[in-house]
Amino acid sequence: QQQVKQSPQSLIVQKGGISIINCAYENTAFDYFPWYQQFPGKGPALLIAIRPDVSEKKEGRFTISFNKSAKQFSLHIMDSQPGDSATYFCAAIGFGNEKLTFGTGTRLTIIP
Amino acid sequence: DSGVTQTPKHLITATGQRVTLRCSPRSGDLSVYWYQQSLDQGLQFLIQYYNGEERAKGNILERFSAQQFPDLHSELNLSSLELGDSALYFCASSLGPHGETQYFGPGTRLLVL
Repeated sequence: QQQVKQSPQSLIVQKGGISIINCAYENTAFDYFPWYQQFPGKGPALLIAIRPDVSEKKEGRFTISFNKSAKQFSLHIMDSQPGDSATYFCAAIGFGNEKLTFGTGTRLTIIP
Repeated sequence: DSGVTQTPKHLITATGQRVTLRCSPRSGDLSVYWYQQSLDQGLQFLIQYYNGEERAKGNILERFSAQQFPDLHSELNLSSLELGDSALYFCASSLGPHGETQYFGPGTRLLVL
């Protein structure tokens, strides 16, 4: 069962633009929502994470927005750069359930 | 560099064979996680070990098994390999048993012919 739905599957954004990736979850026991960035040939790397007690978290050009009532969260990349071109995965995990459940990934391409 | 190491980087084998993938966690991390990444299934959690003991199990086939040794390195054994087992296999580690912050290794690319 797909417990974390991610969209879009692929995204092309112009350099300097805003990249937005969305995720929705079903399991209300999830209480930690990380985003991972994966470059070709590399393992996923933790980018930013949020807990449901806050609606937004910002780290540099990366922002997570969280809507607990809608069970949705999204990643915003401001001033997108070619170096941001990668696959992004949202994930979720809940206390007492130690497995990270990943979304299906979004391949982001930033064009000049 | 996450500090998690995996060997080998690439592995090519035939159907029916058995292979062993190795993972060394970051220094000080007690938990090791194994994931399978394929094009059609995304990142799938297989199994977690914490301080030598199995802690959580995901969609791991009966043909697959894993263990964590006293020095905390882990091995994932894949047997009776099928074409569909071709995938990237990642190991991740975390400090404690709760896998909120996991550091991933570079992966092992397995090709079954």
